[in-house]
Amino acid sequence: NAGVTQTPKFQVLKTGQSMTLQCAQDMNHNSMYWYRQDPGMGLRLIYYSASEGTTDKGEVPNGYNVSRLNKREFSLRLESAAPSQTSVYFCASSEQGALSYEQYFGPGTRLTVT
Amino acid sequence: AQSVSQHNHHVILSEAASLELGCNYSYGGTVNLFWYVQYPGQHLQLLLKYFSGDPLVKGIKGFEAEFIKSKFSFNLRKPSVQWSDTAEYFCAVKFTGGGNKLTFGTGTQLKVEL
Repeated sequence: NAGVTQTPKFQVLKTGQSMTLQCAQDMNHNSMYWYRQDPGMGLRLIYYSASEGTTDKGEVPNGYNVSRLNKREFSLRLESAAPSQTSVYFCASSEQGALSYEQYFGPGTRLTVT
Repeated sequence: AQSVSQHNHHVILSEAASLELGCNYSYGGTVNLFWYVQYPGQHLQLLLKYFSGDPLVKGIKGFEAEFIKSKFSFNLRKPSVQWSDTAEYFCAVKFTGGGNKLTFGTGTQLKVEL
């Protein structure tokens, strides 16, 4: 039981390049999330997927797109990377329903855009 | 807008000192409350959570938190910190009507000195 996994762990991009961050969970959770973590700003929600087949914008969606490929996988795409997107990206998942809002986090992807 | 505030951004303590980290939220309705910890280089892990019942919640590693509804607060405490508690601590709130989303505070960086 690996929990939430993310690939890659590290990535360096040049401005304008594109890439996709992958996330998968094996806990049969319905909901999945993408956050970015920046110093002094905590975790900010980029996009989330309440259930398979649905996605919604979070607090900072500009410059990103997501795909909920199936119940297990939720990917985040940067179409044209910018230096402002240098950050640590975390994927998380949770079960739906009352008393089950706890989110489980992946190990993160450290992205640098030069 | 619903928000979560952590007023202590950096805290430095000596081993065996007592710890209290503040967390306040902006909403007066029903909330679910969480404290997460992020050890250096690692992903976020749940310390404790409150859903209902006894407002004093006990978590892992000797941490506890008290929900004071009248003050919209959920402060984290530990009677005697250890060097291994050095980490960043995040308060998170699930607000009513927000689906499964959590709103995170900006985090408190705790350094425990020997």
